[in-house]
Order: sequence, then structure tokens, then C-alpha cells
Amino acid sequence: DQQVKQNSPSLSVQEGRISILNCDYTNSMFDYFLWYKKYPAEGPTFLISISSIKDKNEDGRFTVFLNKSAKHLSLHIVPSQPGDSAVYFCAASSNAGGTSYGKLTFGQGTILTVHP
Amino acid sequence: DAGVIQSPRHEVTEMGQEVTLRCKPISGHNSLFWYRQTMMRGLELLIYFNNNVPIDDSGMPEDRFSAKMPNASFSTLKIQPSEPRDSAVYFCASSRVLGGRHQGDEQYFGPGTRLTVT
Repeated sequence: DQQVKQNSPSLSVQEGRISILNCDYTNSMFDYFLWYKKYPAEGPTFLISISSIKDKNEDGRFTVFLNKSAKHLSLHIVPSQPGDSAVYFCAASSNAGGTSYGKLTFGQGTILTVHP
Repeated sequence: DAGVIQSPRHEVTEMGQEVTLRCKPISGHNSLFWYRQTMMRGLELLIYFNNNVPIDDSGMPEDRFSAKMPNASFSTLKIQPSEPRDSAVYFCASSRVLGGRHQGDEQYFGPGTRLTVT
């Protein structure tokens, strides 16, 4: 049962345009969401996060939007740059039950390619 | 400050051999996670520890896989015997968790170990 889904395996965008990466989740207990970026031959690196008490979090060119009723989050990158080309993973965690120990559930990832 | 350290970076072994992957988490982090990444299954959580104690090993695929964390600065993932389908990239990650609940601290990943079993 895949609780976090990224339905688009890949996305291609022109430099300077907006990249929108989408993620859906099924577990209503998730209360914290993160985006990670992964370059080839490297481990994933944290990009941006959002708590379920918010619906938007912005950090420079990166903005994450959360729609709890739709169980959907998205990552917007504006403007997109060739260096943003990477695999993007969304992840979710839950404090339900009182403990989570920081466990994250990851989506399958979306390959973003930004063309010059 | 050094990040998560994994060794070896690459491992090529023959089917049936024992493989040991090593991880040193970030100093001060108290949760440690082992993941496996494959094309088919994406990033799978295998096992995780909190304060050196295994919390959930339900992601470990078979009894051939075992993991230990003898102290706060070292963990191993062992595969014995290894099989070709174990070929994947194995990541270790660590985070700081307070009171058993996430406090908004993200996981930091190591560079991974690429395992090839022939």
C-alpha cells in the first residue's frame, strides 16, 4: 500500500519557467511533509518542509503548498534553473500514537529536467 | 561538521557472500534509518533505530538481512548470504528526534553504498 504517491515519473521544463511537482497521500494521520532533492551518485538532500497547520511555506525560489482536504501537496520552483535538474522526492511523517521517531514515508520520486 | 558517512561507497560481490555496510550518523542525532533504493521499488525504509534501539524492522525483506547499532556513532547492515536481487543503492540517514516525536528536524542522508551482487 503506497501511502505517498508521485504520479508523474518525469517532468521537463524550460529554464526560467515554473516547475510544479505534485504529491498525493492517503494517510490522514500525516502531519508533516518534506521535499528532498537527489542528484545522481549522491544521497537525497532536504529541500523544504511544511507542517499540517500551514498551507504554504516559501524558501527563495521554492514554495510548497499543502491542501489537506485533497491530501495533496505540490512543490513550485520559480524560476527553474538547469541546476535544479534532479530527482525530487516528497515524504511524510506522523506523530499519531505519540511517537514517530522521525520515520518518513517517501514517494517514488519525479525526475525533473530543466532545459537551458 | 561531517555529514552521515557510509562505507564502502561501492561493493561488488558474488552471490552467497556476506556483505556488511557501515554507517556513521551525524554526531548528536539519535535516530538512524537504513533505506534501499531500486528502480522498481523506489526508496524503501528497511529498519530504523532510536537511541540505538531497533524500533521497526518490518521493512527488512528477509532473514538474510540484519542490522545492528552497538553505539550512537555506528551502525551496520549485513546481508548473508547475498543474492543478485539485493543489488541496489543502500542509504543510511540520521535525524534528531526529541521525546519520540518529530520536531521538524529533517533526516540527513549519507552518499549511499552501491551494491552489486553477481
